[in-house]
Amino acid sequence: EAGVAQSPRYKIIEKRQSVAFWCNPISGHATLYWYQQILGQGPKLLIQFQNNGVVDDSQLPKDRFSAERLKGVDSTLKIQPAKLEDSAVYLCASSFQGAEGYTFGSGTRLTVV
Amino acid sequence: AQSVTQLDSHVSVSEGTPVLLRCNYSSSYSPSLFWYVQHPNKGLQLLLKYTSAATLVKGINGFEAEFKKSETSFHLTKPSAHMSDAAEYFCVVSRYNFNKFYFGSGTKLNVKP
Repeated sequence: EAGVAQSPRYKIIEKRQSVAFWCNPISGHATLYWYQQILGQGPKLLIQFQNNGVVDDSQLPKDRFSAERLKGVDSTLKIQPAKLEDSAVYLCASSFQGAEGYTFGSGTRLTVV
Repeated sequence: AQSVTQLDSHVSVSEGTPVLLRCNYSSSYSPSLFWYVQHPNKGLQLLLKYTSAATLVKGINGFEAEFKKSETSFHLTKPSAHMSDAAEYFCVVSRYNFNKFYFGSGTKLNVKP
């Protein structure tokens, strides 16, 4: 079974630039999550999708972050404009039902300079 | 509300000695509890999970954890540490059959030769 795919693996941008991350979940997984992991901290949930609908985006900084999952499969997370404090690893995860099959991708490491 | 507290940010053991990583949880509902491991520049890997079945849970690589409701704890143990166990470990709580994960702040395990 293929895992959760994320790209790019690494990205370095200057502050105020924009950046986008892509995630392809495991086939058949209806639920998709984006997490932000700042160095030295545990991952924090940014947004959760069920199929192509948003279930929870309460911790997403909506003034600069946006995410979409238009066809209920892969997803894109965007930051515009980026700030220094956005430097983190962005993890995508997907699950089949509840906590069953909850699988993380390898993440995208973003450095904002 | 759900939350976890990992009581030690760093743990150092000698190879061949026991490992104990401590986790206390808070949950308004019957929780599901997980331990994940993250090696440097790698994704999160599931070690084990508790979902209201047996309270002593065995995971991969010789790790196990015991759910103690009276103590609201879910400590991770291993009888004999190996150099390859050096990594960061995250305790995670989720409402039973509910798929949002709440991560602890992590415990970095150092294994000395």
